[in-house]
Amino acid sequence: AQSVSQHNHHVILSEAASLELGCNYSYGGTVNLFWYVQYPGQHLQLLLKYFSGDPLVKGIKGFEAEFIKSKFSFNLRKPSVQWSDTAEYFCAVNADGGATNKLIFGTGTLLAVQP
Amino acid sequence: DTGVSQDPRHKITKRGQNVTFRCDPISEHNRLYWYRQTLGQGPEFLTYFQNEAQLEKSRLLSDRFSAERPKGSFSTLEIQRTEQGDSAMYLCASSLAGTFGNTIYFGEGSWLTVV
Repeated sequence: AQSVSQHNHHVILSEAASLELGCNYSYGGTVNLFWYVQYPGQHLQLLLKYFSGDPLVKGIKGFEAEFIKSKFSFNLRKPSVQWSDTAEYFCAVNADGGATNKLIFGTGTLLAVQP
Repeated sequence: DTGVSQDPRHKITKRGQNVTFRCDPISEHNRLYWYRQTLGQGPEFLTYFQNEAQLEKSRLLSDRFSAERPKGSFSTLEIQRTEQGDSAMYLCASSLAGTFGNTIYFGEGSWLTVV
């Protein structure tokens, strides 16, 4: 079945630590890839997206993600996290080439950054 | 503020009652989506409209669920004869068709608790 997997359900880091959150998907065709963030009490917000071109994409707040087609992966990274990065992070895939823009989400990773 | 508005933000209802949620998308967006999110899970796709046409429905959308977008602007999601398993956050999102790589914008969600 088509799916999106996020390996880490809970991550706890100290400020200034580096972050990498894993995301793998099982679609075989062309995909559009997204990372969304949900801060406590707020709506889902787009961090970054990949459609084509450079597989290393940069998003807001210093986040970046790398699309590795051979590994079906789109991992999220940040070199130095801040307390304000505490949130839930969702990887999502659109697998219909933008025909509907429908997204399939992973289960999310809850990140807690300790000051 | 993403511009997608949902109402009510919270609803507590007794089992067996009907509930209706309203979504007002970003004004120029012709695509509208409903998702459901439960604790510990990512958002799950329920249904999708392009203008007033409901083009796709998930198997998650049982016969007790109905969604409408009568004039291609706001949308309603009605749940009839609610069950405790319907307790979740119902998310609305919108996007603009016809632009490759366009982003889906989410509202803040409507929390439903069935007691």
